[in-house]
Order: sequence, then C-alpha cells, then structure tokens
Amino acid sequence: ETGVTQTPRHLVMGMTNKKSLKCEQHLGHNAMYWYKQSAKKPLELMFVYSLEERVENNSVPSRFSPECPNSSHLFLHLHTLQPEDSALYLCASSQVGQGAGYGYTFGSGTRLTVV
Amino acid sequence: AQKVTQAQTEISVVEKEDVTLDCVYETRDTTYYLFWYKQPPSGELVFLIRRNSFDEQNEISGRYSWNFQKSTSSFNFTITASQVVDSAVYFCALRGSGTYKYIFGTGTRLKVLA
Repeated sequence: ETGVTQTPRHLVMGMTNKKSLKCEQHLGHNAMYWYKQSAKKPLELMFVYSLEERVENNSVPSRFSPECPNSSHLFLHLHTLQPEDSALYLCASSQVGQGAGYGYTFGSGTRLTVV
Repeated sequence: AQKVTQAQTEISVVEKEDVTLDCVYETRDTTYYLFWYKQPPSGELVFLIRRNSFDEQNEISGRYSWNFQKSTSSFNFTITASQVVDSAVYFCALRGSGTYKYIFGTGTRLKVLA
C-alpha cells in the first residue's frame, strides 16, 4: 500500500462507547497530524506529532486521546463523545526538517457519527 | 493573526467553461507558503500546488493555473475548460515559516455540470 491509509472509513458510535481511529503512512514521513472537518467550518488541526513526540495540541477536549507508537502509525482514541463531535477526521503526514516541503499527504478520512 | 478567506461557498459552471476560485490571505510573516488542495467526494485532500512568498511567478499545469499577487494578498486558482471530474471542494491554505500548522479556508464547492 502507498500513501496514507485510515480505518475505518465510517464509524457510528454511542456517547458511552470507546473506539479508536487508525492512520498508517507508507511514505517515510516523520510527522503526522489529526484534523477535524465539520460541515461549513475550516479544517481544524487537533494534534501534531513530529518524530513521534506530540508538538502541538490545539486545546482539544480530553475525550480525544492521540497515540503515536512509531513514525508510521497514529491513533485517535475516542471516549464519551458528544453529538457535536460528529465529523470527518482526517489524518495527514509530511516530511519536516531542512529542505522539506512541508506539504501534507492526507488520508481519505473517517466519517464519524455520534448518536 | 493568520487567516484564509474563500468567499465563494459554491460555484456551478457548465462543462468547458473557465472558472476562477478566489483565495485571500492575511499574515504578518514575511516568509510563508500557500497551498491549494482538492477534496473529491471520496474524502481525501489531494495536494495541487505550493507557492512560497518570495516566488510570485504564475504557474500553469495543464488546465490549472494559479495567480499569486502579494500586493492584494491573493492566490487565485483558475480551471480552464472545466470537466465534470473537476467537481470537488477546493481548499486554499496558508502556512507560516517555522510552524507545522496550516490555516485552511472554508473551501469552495465546485459543481461542473455536463
């Protein structure tokens, strides 16, 4: 496989459930990102991991918990979500550092519905 | 503060028409990068172009062209002879120097009708 792969593509969960989103990149990039895309709102950066360390957390509620076990994998653990958390969650990766273009490669996203 | 404005929420054109998508940005950085991404119905954002702040040359790639004007803080995207496959949401984005963070616009939904 190439590029950035996200699973599952669709997820419906109740407010008391615990689930995880998975992202895997096959590009040799050293940074990974979670973005949230809600209807009629700009993409919101949630988390950034560079060299497997979290470098940015944009005041995301604690019901979202990221995990980056290595440079190729990124998880978003979800628990006790609210209906307003329903959105498309996009994972991206990039190469950062000297000479890097900082361009993102995005996955296809996980469409999350909280009921 | 940094900001990207895509004032056009939705545009509909008939196939083979030319269409321009507008992007206006705000930043105090002297070095910055501008991007356009395409989001087809499948969901993933596809990278189209990157332009850095000290390169104002316009660029053409097939039916796509980009007009970067620092004087008006604009980075507009034109599709010539549009096709149905161009139907998608297009996002303009800004990244300042020394940061991982992109600032995205709200996107413009383009519908190309056969």
